[in-house]
Amino acid sequence: DVKVTQSSRYLVKRTGEKVFLECVQDMDHENMFWYRQDPGLGLRLIYFSYDVKMKEKGDIPEGYSVSREKKERFSLILESASTNQTSMYLCASSLPTGVTEAFFGQGTRLTVV
Amino acid sequence: EDQVTQSPEALRLQEGESSSLNCSYTVSGLRGLFWYRQDPGKGPEFLFTLYSAGEEKEKERLKATLTKKESFLHITAPKPEDSATYLCAVQARTSGTYKYIFGTGTRLKVLA
Repeated sequence: DVKVTQSSRYLVKRTGEKVFLECVQDMDHENMFWYRQDPGLGLRLIYFSYDVKMKEKGDIPEGYSVSREKKERFSLILESASTNQTSMYLCASSLPTGVTEAFFGQGTRLTVV
Repeated sequence: EDQVTQSPEALRLQEGESSSLNCSYTVSGLRGLFWYRQDPGKGPEFLFTLYSAGEEKEKERLKATLTKKESFLHITAPKPEDSATYLCAVQARTSGTYKYIFGTGTRLKVLA
């Protein structure tokens, strides 16, 4: 089974802190994604990566950056956390070609106070 | 613009009361449509992939169908354990690869 693991289930950070969310997948998938999920807004794509050191902006990249130094690991960075970044963050991975589903991690509930 | 719309937003059913959830989409060049189940506080769990209009997939009490404009998730004789949010997504082409566009989901509550 594909496993996507996010480093934390719950995080509480202070405004202005630099925050790192880590995601690791064990199926050698080229594609990795970061979404945030908010009530009424659904899943919104922040960034994605289709290869090591490659990244593309999604629909809401402002205030975020990403790092992909190794194929299995994709990190989301909040440069200076703000209260409007309080959300559920979901990491996913998929194969790069064909019609293939994305596999999700368990999510990180981030609260910025 | 590629878009996915799900309805209703929320649905309450009595145990055994069958119903359908709707997912309508506009996407240039549909490659696949996916259904996920999401329990509170957890990540989405994959249910089905539909590739082309006319296709159907079944799993226990769930059946997913696809037309050229929409997909339905039919729930037959639901049980309380079917309570969850059901998400629909389409696969759309972007630079270099593909991305997934999600609807906002239908929150299903099945009462005993």
